[in-house]
Amino acid sequence: ETGVTQSPTHLIKTRGQQVTLRCSSQSGHNTVSWYQQALGQGPQFIFQYYREEENGRGNFPPRFSGLQFPNYSSELNVNALELDDSALYLCASSLERTGEQFFGPGTRLTVL
Amino acid sequence: AQKVTQAQTEISVVEKEDVTLDCVYETRDTTYYLFWYKQPPSGELVFLIRRNSFDEQNEISGRYSWNFQKSTSSFNFTITASQVVDSAVYFCALSEAEGGATNKLIFGTGTLLAVQP
Repeated sequence: ETGVTQSPTHLIKTRGQQVTLRCSSQSGHNTVSWYQQALGQGPQFIFQYYREEENGRGNFPPRFSGLQFPNYSSELNVNALELDDSALYLCASSLERTGEQFFGPGTRLTVL
Repeated sequence: AQKVTQAQTEISVVEKEDVTLDCVYETRDTTYYLFWYKQPPSGELVFLIRRNSFDEQNEISGRYSWNFQKSTSSFNFTITASQVVDSAVYFCALSEAEGGATNKLIFGTGTLLAVQP
């Protein structure tokens, strides 16, 4: 059974650019949640996708958007990058919207 | 509003000492889940335990034990005979119970545990 994978591992962008992060959910899981973890902080919930539709969103601006594909993999897109977007982005998959979450290794984004 | 507070920012112990990590939570829900995760330097969150709000029994798993007290809204985590491999950031988290709309996790700010040899 393959666990949750994320790509890329690390990414460096400049302010104003756009970025796409990818997540492959664990086999059989239909729900993906994204979290942002700033340095020295706990992860903050960005949004959740369930069966290809957004199912809940945290306190993040619209320039944070996502997609979930028929195979339940997911993308997180961030437009107009700001310096404060520098963080570890974690993806978690679960079986159904209320199941236990399994986390991927994260993508570390640096915005210069 | 839901909130998780981990007042201890950093703890340093010597190997074989016992250490307790504190967690206090706030929620208006009558049913909820509480969690502990470990985050080693690699960054991946490692699941340690999930506890339903209806189950106040303490739990022990090897050197790990958890003390859930609903009366004080606390869910503390104790490591007995700590080892260097226990060095990591530990997060306490809260989520709605089954039947809620999502399983989004509300995390505390974490406690950095450093175990010295």
